[in-house]
Amino acid sequence: QVQLVESGGGVVQPGRSLRLSCAASGFIFRKYGMHWVRQAPGKGLEWLAITSYAGTDSFYGDSAKGRFTISRDNSKNTLYLQMNSLRHEDTAVYYCAKAKSGADCSSITCPLDYWGQGTLVIVSS
Amino acid sequence: DIQMTQSPSTLSASVGDTVTITCRASQSINIWLAWYQQKPGTAPKALMYKASNLEGGVPSRFSGSGSGTEFTLTISSLQPDDFATYHCQQYHDYPYTFGQGTKLEIK
Repeated sequence: QVQLVESGGGVVQPGRSLRLSCAASGFIFRKYGMHWVRQAPGKGLEWLAITSYAGTDSFYGDSAKGRFTISRDNSKNTLYLQMNSLRHEDTAVYYCAKAKSGADCSSITCPLDYWGQGTLVIVSS
Repeated sequence: DIQMTQSPSTLSASVGDTVTITCRASQSINIWLAWYQQKPGTAPKALMYKASNLEGGVPSRFSGSGSGTEFTLTISSLQPDDFATYHCQQYHDYPYTFGQGTKLEIK
């Protein structure tokens, strides 16, 4: 079955960097786009970024542009989110999620189907 | 960016009731809408895509409709397991955007 396991969260000071990882199993990782989504305490979901199945194309939400970088290593079945210049408002649970594919998608975009359990990032001095 | 607005923000209902949640887009998104269910302290779970297609394993009491800018999620004959927060998301264009969520609580 599909499993996505995030790691790398923790407490970090403002201005510092953190890299999150998402280990994938139960599906052919290299064939699917992958997303990062976050949820601040008591708030709604915020989409951050997507990388294509090969890692050659990425798109970002406004909060992630310029500070966060999504990447993947298909040889390790692992997705990453590099977060730089962290701010208090980046405090959230960060989820990785798998994209659907094929006929379930529009011409350029696909919905999310499986989500990891999330990893908590707290930005605090 | 496409703005997604859900209503109501909170909905109180009883087991056995039928409820409807509305999601409106700030511009047409065709049928490129997904719904997710989230219980406290857990990750979201995919319910529906392309506005009305159920994910595998989702009970048939869940149904979705709509196209363009207005969409609905209907849950018939509410079960105790259905009390959760529901999120809509457009995937018509980047950046993907979510509604603010609708919390379905027990009356």
